Amino acid sequence: AQKVTQAQTEISVVEKEDVTLDCVYETRDTTYYLFWYKQPPSGELVFLIRRNSFDEQNEISGRYSWNFQKSTSSFNFTITASQVVDSAVYFCALRRRGNFNKFYFGSGTKLNVKP
Amino acid sequence: DTGVSQDPRHKITKRGQNVTFRCDPISEHNRLYWYRQTLGQGPEFLTYFQNEAQLEKSRLLSDRFSAERPKGSFSTLEIQRTEQGDSAMYLCASSFPWDPGNLNTEAFFGQGTRLTVV
Repeated sequence: AQKVTQAQTEISVVEKEDVTLDCVYETRDTTYYLFWYKQPPSGELVFLIRRNSFDEQNEISGRYSWNFQKSTSSFNFTITASQVVDSAVYFCALRRRGNFNKFYFGSGTKLNVKP
Repeated sequence: DTGVSQDPRHKITKRGQNVTFRCDPISEHNRLYWYRQTLGQGPEFLTYFQNEAQLEKSRLLSDRFSAERPKGSFSTLEIQRTEQGDSAMYLCASSFPWDPGNLNTEAFFGQGTRLTVV
């Protein structure tokens, strides 16, 4: 069975602080894909990153960075110098190879960035 | 607006009534997905269409739920005899056929229809 756990339900930070959102996943598959999505108050899910299980290189995109560690089944997301516009619910998700239709989402972490 | 469009955005209905939601995918996307998101949870997969064919259905989709995509363009999701447990956000997404080398083939999500059953 596939499972994604985001233990942090809600995090509050002050603008310009760095914040890390944790994600732990479970799967017996050897090939799979991991994702982060952002859900602003407007409701749509905005794609942030996809990582396949063979690629453990960390990735940086502007103020965003992702740390994938297969040994601990974790795919953590860090926002550096947070901004008020980063306030949203962030979801980590897993998708199995060969079944590109179905995401297994975590329960999300609500990030509040205060000015 | 060229994104995934869902209508209505909000729906309040009395228990036992039928409701229908509509999703207009991004033009030329042949794949369409429905997900359900309850309060405080992540979205859960409901069903998937490739063109007009419904190729996969979750066990979450009870016999009170039916989804269609008659011409391979827009899709409808109908819930019959609504129950309070059906209260949720219903999200639609669409995509091109998936290509591992092209991130633009990942799914684009709409803003959802929030259903409240009273």
